[in-house]
Amino acid sequence: DVKVTQSSRYLVKRTGEKVFLECVQDMDHENMFWYRQDPGLGLRLIYFSYDVKMKEKGDIPEGYSVSREKKERFSLILESASTNQTSMYLCASRRGTGGREQYFGPGTRLTVT
Amino acid sequence: AQSVTQLDSQVPVFEEAPVELRCNYSSSVSVYLFWYVQYPNQGLQLLLKYLSGSTLVKGINGFEAEFNKSQTSFHLRKPSVHISDTAEYFCAVGNYQLIWGAGTKLIIKP
Repeated sequence: DVKVTQSSRYLVKRTGEKVFLECVQDMDHENMFWYRQDPGLGLRLIYFSYDVKMKEKGDIPEGYSVSREKKERFSLILESASTNQTSMYLCASRRGTGGREQYFGPGTRLTVT
Repeated sequence: AQSVTQLDSQVPVFEEAPVELRCNYSSSVSVYLFWYVQYPNQGLQLLLKYLSGSTLVKGINGFEAEFNKSQTSFHLRKPSVHISDTAEYFCAVGNYQLIWGAGTKLIIKP
């Protein structure tokens, strides 16, 4: 079974702090994704990575950056957290060749006060 | 541009009754279609997918969905729901990137 883990289930940070959200997958997947989930809006793609050191902006990249130094790890960085970044953050991975479905981690609920 | 519409934000249904969760999409190219389920305080889990072939797709937990190309729909059905089906259900379409619906909360009434 594919396992995707996220470093924290719940996180509380203050406005202006730098925040790191970590995601690790154990199935040697090439593609990894970061989404945020807000009520009534579904999932919105922040960034994705199709291979190590490669990244592409999604639909809502403003205020975020990412890092993928190793194949199994994809980090989301909030350079200066703001209250409008309070949300559920979901990481997903997918096999690169022939892969279709995405496999999700349990999510990190981030609150910025 | 692709878009996904889940027509109901909430669907209340009595236990053991049938249910249909509706999903319509728009796309100018052929796409793959997915239904995911999110149980409270958990990540998303794949219920079923349509890639090609038979338009009736069976998934886990007794769910099935039918791809209708002419109506650009991919509705999810279950003939008899249980309290354990209480969750939020998401429809997604796409190829490399997925476009997600807003979600439908399935509320099971005892």
